[in-house]
Amino acid sequence: GNSVTQMEGPVTLSEEAFLTINCTYTATGYPSLFWYVQYPGEGLQLLLKATKADDKGSNKGFEATYRKETTSFHLEKGSVQVSDSAVYFCALNFNKFYFGSGTKLNVKP
Amino acid sequence: EAGVAQSPRYKIIEKRQSVAFWCNPISGHATLYWYQQILGQGPKLLIQFQNNGVVDDSQLPKDRFSAERLKGVDSTLKIQPAKLEDSAVYLCASSLARESDTQYFGPGTRLTVL
Repeated sequence: GNSVTQMEGPVTLSEEAFLTINCTYTATGYPSLFWYVQYPGEGLQLLLKATKADDKGSNKGFEATYRKETTSFHLEKGSVQVSDSAVYFCALNFNKFYFGSGTKLNVKP
Repeated sequence: EAGVAQSPRYKIIEKRQSVAFWCNPISGHATLYWYQQILGQGPKLLIQFQNNGVVDDSQLPKDRFSAERLKGVDSTLKIQPAKLEDSAVYLCASSLARESDTQYFGPGTRLTVL
């Protein structure tokens, strides 16, 4: 079946630290991959996406590369800010959406 | 462009009572989704509509949950009767077309069943 596994949180970092949130997937075909972000009190927002192998999605300083060989789509940011504190969800779309359980990020000043 | 609207934002009911949620998708979006997000978990798809037809309802507990999308625009999700384990945030999302990758989410309705 199709599923997404992402690292458990919470992840606590100091401002300007490097961020990696791991995400791996299982799919019966070739899905599109996504990162969604949920800020406190708000709905989910699309952060970035990649639709085929080796594609890199990027937005707001965040990046993730679709790695077919390792079935991964890890989220990275070189220098996090306090405003990046949120819950991050990895997801795949293969006929329908499957979401990971979310990783909470806390960034301290 | 107005986003996906949902109401109510919060609802508290007792078990065995009924409850209904409303969703108004982004204008022109053919596909509408209802998700259940239990605390600490990712969203789980309950039902997907393409215009006013059901595309996928394989994870909808049909003995107590029902949903409709009359006229292919607004949608309602109903729970009757509610159980304690139905406590969750119910998210509505829409996309331009079924093949479109990007979903736009509403703010959700937080349901507490006592």
